[in-house]
Amino acid sequence: AQSVTQLDSQVPVFEEAPVELRCNYSSSVSVYLFWYVQYPNQGLQLLLKYLSGSTLVESINGFEAEFNKSQTSFHLRKPSVHISDTAEYFCAVTLNTGGFKTIFGAGTRLFVKA
Amino acid sequence: EAGVAQSPRYKIIEKRQSVAFWCNPISGHATLYWYQQILGQGPKLLIQFQNNGVVDDSQLPKDRFSAERLKGVDSTLKIQPAKLEDSAVYLCASSLNTGSGAFFGQGTRLTVV
Repeated sequence: AQSVTQLDSQVPVFEEAPVELRCNYSSSVSVYLFWYVQYPNQGLQLLLKYLSGSTLVESINGFEAEFNKSQTSFHLRKPSVHISDTAEYFCAVTLNTGGFKTIFGAGTRLFVKA
Repeated sequence: EAGVAQSPRYKIIEKRQSVAFWCNPISGHATLYWYQQILGQGPKLLIQFQNNGVVDDSQLPKDRFSAERLKGVDSTLKIQPAKLEDSAVYLCASSLNTGSGAFFGQGTRLTVV
């Protein structure tokens, strides 16, 4: 069965430290990969996506994620976090099963401390 | 560009009552999704429309949930009768196409008491 696993439910980190939020998926079909962010009291927003081509994708606010097909992973990283990055981050996978079906992970709460 | 609009933002009902949520997607977006997000979990797809046709409703509890998308634009999601376990945030999202990623509304927080 297809699934998306976010290995950490909460990640506390100090400001200006690096962070990695992990995402693994299980699928035997081709996929599109997404990271969404949900800031406190706001809706989900697309952060970045991988469709094809270069396996390293970047967002406008310094996050990047790398698609690793052999490890079926799409980990999100940022070299130096800010207080404003405090949010919940969701990994999502769209599966091409004839139709397209999107599955979300359970989310990782990133808490950046001063 | 206007975002995905949902209403109401909050709703409290008693079990066995009915409730309806409304969604207006971004103009021109053919695909519309309804998700259920229970506290502490990721969004779970309930139903996906392509224009006004249903693409996927495999996780929609059809004995109590229904959804429609008239004229391929606005959509409504209804629960009748509601159960306590239906307490969740109901998210509507739309996308131009499958690979573009989805734009989400603010959601409707439903509390069933």
